[in-house]
Amino acid sequence: GAVVSQHPSWVICKSGTSVKIECRSLDFQATTMFWYRQFPKQSLMLMATSNEGSKATYEQGVEKDKFLINHASLTLSTLTVTSAHPEDSSFYICSASLRAQVTEAFFGQGTRLTVV
Amino acid sequence: GQNIDQPTEMTATEGAIVQINCTYQTSGFNGLFWYQQHAGEAPTFLSYNVLDGLEEKGRFSSFLSRSKGYSYLLLKELQMKDSASYLCAGMDSNYQLIWGAGTKLIIKP
Repeated sequence: GAVVSQHPSWVICKSGTSVKIECRSLDFQATTMFWYRQFPKQSLMLMATSNEGSKATYEQGVEKDKFLINHASLTLSTLTVTSAHPEDSSFYICSASLRAQVTEAFFGQGTRLTVV
Repeated sequence: GQNIDQPTEMTATEGAIVQINCTYQTSGFNGLFWYQQHAGEAPTFLSYNVLDGLEEKGRFSSFLSRSKGYSYLLLKELQMKDSASYLCAGMDSNYQLIWGAGTKLIIKP
């Protein structure tokens, strides 16, 4: 299957700082990337849908000024958590869809963010 | 509204068979997915059903009934490594995945 690489795998940051998470599709072009957040023992919560070259579409309740998403190329999307707070600590996962194909979402490895 | 229901937790014995059920309600329907997720890791794709019937893939099989809004994942010859959460997700008319909360499967020796 297609490979999606997410970096970093884990990060610890101080409250008030910003953290950038990268999501790369390594062997295919992803017109659409999805960013999820997952709290312990809960399911994936879609945060936003990112389309290459356009603004991301955020789900209700997700602050777009706090979670900045950039999808500048067909192989890279980034999520920046700005002014992080302890309640932002979570598991963040990206997924990508193959161009013109929607039958499978390929996931990155996930990023464990801890804000202290 | 859109909703995915699946049991929170199931326990099975190594070598046995277990069936994990999922019922779904989505706005339109473009398929039903099953993903496996080990603790602390991202989900990995198991199966995709868009037509009624059973899809078999090795020890794992997935079934879909669109008229009943129902799917199940069948795991045979259970191994300890199958201990994980199994996520059911329905794809709606906008090709958005609606996720269930996941079923934690515990395998006992």
